[in-house]
Amino acid sequence: QQQVKQSPQSLIVQKGGIPIINCAYENTAFDYFPWYQQFPGKGPALLIAIRPDVSEKKEGRFTISFNKSAKQFSLHIMDSQPGDSATYFCAATGGSNYKLTFGKGTLLTVNP
Amino acid sequence: DAGVIQSPRHEVTEMGQEVTLRCKPISGHDYLFWYRQTMMRGLELLIYFNNNVPIDDSGMPEDRFSAKMPNASFSTLKIQPSEPRDSAVYFCASSFGGRYEDEQFFGPGTRLTVL
Repeated sequence: QQQVKQSPQSLIVQKGGIPIINCAYENTAFDYFPWYQQFPGKGPALLIAIRPDVSEKKEGRFTISFNKSAKQFSLHIMDSQPGDSATYFCAATGGSNYKLTFGKGTLLTVNP
Repeated sequence: DAGVIQSPRHEVTEMGQEVTLRCKPISGHDYLFWYRQTMMRGLELLIYFNNNVPIDDSGMPEDRFSAKMPNASFSTLKIQPSEPRDSAVYFCASSFGGRYEDEQFFGPGTRLTVL
């Protein structure tokens, strides 16, 4: 059972574009939603995270939008750069469970 | 700090052989996680430890997999006997603190190929 569904699987944008990656979750006990960025040959690294008591969080060019009623959240990358080309994973955790449940990832390519 | 260290970075073995993956967490971190990443299933948590004690191993696929943490600076994930379907990238991660918001720091991974 996949508890966090992520889309699209892959995404290609031009430099300066605003890629958007979407995630949906099922478990209402989830109350912490991080995004991880992974470059080829490297482990995932925490990019930005949000709790459901806010609808939006910005860190630099990265923004998470959160819709608690729809159980959906998304990552927006403003003014995307070729260096942002990576795989992005959404994740969720919460309740008494320390586990992170990951989406399947989105391969983002930003063309120069 | 050198970050989470994993060895080997690449492992190629034949079906039926024993495989041991190693991890050194970041000094001072009290949580250690083992993940497996495949194209089909994405990133899955296999097991995690708190203060060297296994807390949840419900993600371990079957009895062929075992993990140990004999001390705060070392953990192993063993597969015996290995099978081709075990081919994946295995990540170790560590974190400090008992809150799930505490960031997990991932190692570079071990790419395992079972022929």
